Amino acid sequence: QVQLVESGGGVVQPGRSLRLSCAASGFTFSSHGMHWVRQAPGKGLEWVAVISYDGNDKYYADSVKGRFTISRDNSKNTLYLQMNSLRVEDTAVYYCAKDGVSYCSGGRCYHFDYWGQGTLVTVSS
Amino acid sequence: DIQMTQSPSTLSASVGDRVTITCRASQSISSWLAWYQQKPGKAPKLLIYKASNLESGVPSRFSGSGSGTEFTLTISSLQPDDFATYYCQQYNGYPWTFGQGTKVEIK
Repeated sequence: QVQLVESGGGVVQPGRSLRLSCAASGFTFSSHGMHWVRQAPGKGLEWVAVISYDGNDKYYADSVKGRFTISRDNSKNTLYLQMNSLRVEDTAVYYCAKDGVSYCSGGRCYHFDYWGQGTLVTVSS
Repeated sequence: DIQMTQSPSTLSASVGDRVTITCRASQSISSWLAWYQQKPGKAPKLLIYKASNLESGVPSRFSGSGSGTEFTLTISSLQPDDFATYYCQQYNGYPWTFGQGTKVEIK
């Protein structure tokens, strides 16, 4: 069965960095685009970033562009989110999610058919 | 960016009720719309994709319809397990955007 397990969350001061990981299993990781989605406490869902199946295409929400970097290691079935220059407003549960269609790329990906359990990032002084 | 607006924001209903949630897009998204269910402290779960396709394993009391800018999620007979928050999401293209959510509460 498909499993996505995030790790790397924690408490960090504004301006510092954090790297999240998402370990994938139960499907052919190298065939699917992957997303990060976040949810601030008590708020709705916000898409953060997407990476194509081969890692060649990456897109970001304006709110994180230039500060966050999405990447993947298909040999390790792992997705990453490097978060730099963190702000208080980045405080959220971060979910990784699998794209529902194989081989999406070029900013044309689809719905999210599996989600991880989420990891909490708290940015506070 | 495409804005997604759900209504109502909160819905009070009883077990057995027929429930309808509406999602409107600020521009046409064809049928590139998904619906998710989220329970407190849990990750969202995919219910419907491409506006009307039921995800495998999701009960048939859930259905989706619509195209262009107006979409609906219907629960034909509300069950105790269905009390949750529901989100629509467009994937017509970058950036992917969600509605603000509809919380279905017990009446």
